[in-house]
Amino acid sequence: DVKVTQSSRYLVKRTGEKVFLECVQDMDHENMFWYRQDPGLGLRLIYFSYDVKMKEKGDIPEGYSVSREKKERFSLILESASTNQTSMYLCASTGTAEKLFFGSGTQLSVL
Amino acid sequence: QKEVEQNSGPLSVPEGAIASLNCTYSDRGSQSFFWYRQYSGKSPELIMFIYSNGDKEDGRFTAQLNKASQYVSLLIRDSQPSDSATYLCAVRNPRAASKLTFGTGTRLQVTL
Repeated sequence: DVKVTQSSRYLVKRTGEKVFLECVQDMDHENMFWYRQDPGLGLRLIYFSYDVKMKEKGDIPEGYSVSREKKERFSLILESASTNQTSMYLCASTGTAEKLFFGSGTQLSVL
Repeated sequence: QKEVEQNSGPLSVPEGAIASLNCTYSDRGSQSFFWYRQYSGKSPELIMFIYSNGDKEDGRFTAQLNKASQYVSLLIRDSQPSDSATYLCAVRNPRAASKLTFGTGTRLQVTL
């Protein structure tokens, strides 16, 4: 069974902290994505990666960075967390872009 | 203008009725369209995709695409309470094939 695993379901951090959100997929997919989901704003793409060490900015990359050192792992980094980054973060992967497989999400609260 | 627009709802339909969910998109070059379903507290899951003008049927679900009107819809026949969820329309970026842009979703409530 296909699986996209996000390291934490709930996370509480303080303003200014550096935050790492980890995502691992076991499907040998080339493409991986980080979205955030907010009420009324839907799913918005932060960054995506189509290969190891490759990354592309999505629609809202400001305040975020990513790392993809191995094919199966895609990390989202909040360099200095702010309250407006409180959100549900969803990782996804796909091999063909026909179907995104999503992780279960990380609800991040920045206090 | 938003790239992908959906009415947020809620759309309320009685059990057994047809639910019609609509989506418009702004980029005329878009070629691929997707419908995802998201239950409350869960992650989105793909229901259908459609590339060609016309209808595509899969069980109780029918996706309809009209590229001239830049309009895609999802019909759910014989709606069940288990269909109650948020339905997300997504459009593939014609210039970045792996990138999907999502609408904000329509919440569907199927009442008994």
